[in-house]
Amino acid sequence: QSALTQPRSVSGSPGQSVTISCTGTSSDVGGYNYVSWYQQHPGKAPKLMIYDVSKRPSGVPDRFSGSKSGNTASLTISGLQAEDEADYYCCSYAGSYSYVFGTGTKVTVL
Amino acid sequence: EVQLSESGGGLVQPGGSLRLSCAASGFTFSSYAMNWVRQAPGKGLEWVSAISGSGASTDYADSVKGRFTISRDNSKNTLYLQMNSLGAEDTAVYYCAKIPDYWGQGTLVTVSS
Repeated sequence: QSALTQPRSVSGSPGQSVTISCTGTSSDVGGYNYVSWYQQHPGKAPKLMIYDVSKRPSGVPDRFSGSKSGNTASLTISGLQAEDEADYYCCSYAGSYSYVFGTGTKVTVL
Repeated sequence: EVQLSESGGGLVQPGGSLRLSCAASGFTFSSYAMNWVRQAPGKGLEWVSAISGSGASTDYADSVKGRFTISRDNSKNTLYLQMNSLGAEDTAVYYCAKIPDYWGQGTLVTVSS
């Protein structure tokens, strides 16, 4: 049950693209297509941005996209905006009803 | 509209117990597995426990196994987390979640003397 590995921080200027990686194992990220991504602003509950690796919930801008290759999932934010500045967490199903979260990434808009 | 509303948090002494509740509405509660996720102050999200829709199957993070018990009452659309032998490391905001899509606003548990 080790946390998925994410970079501690990423940054970009408005309009640029940033990508956050999420590395796990064949027992979680690599074993299931159940990776989700959450955005969290200070003091707020996590907000779902991507589910099932690459699906976007209604209301989430199409600037947010997800993908997976092997044991690593990725979240890409294109056309970065000021309101995208937040913490981002990945989450993967790990079998037997369990989940594992990533270590979290702080996105800074320069 | 789906709503998840946690309650039961508060200040508890080390070694003490607390029971959290999560009232669910807006979806067929008994059809879905439910989870508890926690976040210590300034730290990341940590999955704590899950229970199947029927309540027959449960799972726990190693950090809480043997101390926490998850349960549900489908007749009341309510999820529970019984927390025993609490330590300072259990201080966190506890979220009730239907992963991946719905989360409550969280309830703060503080373990301190």
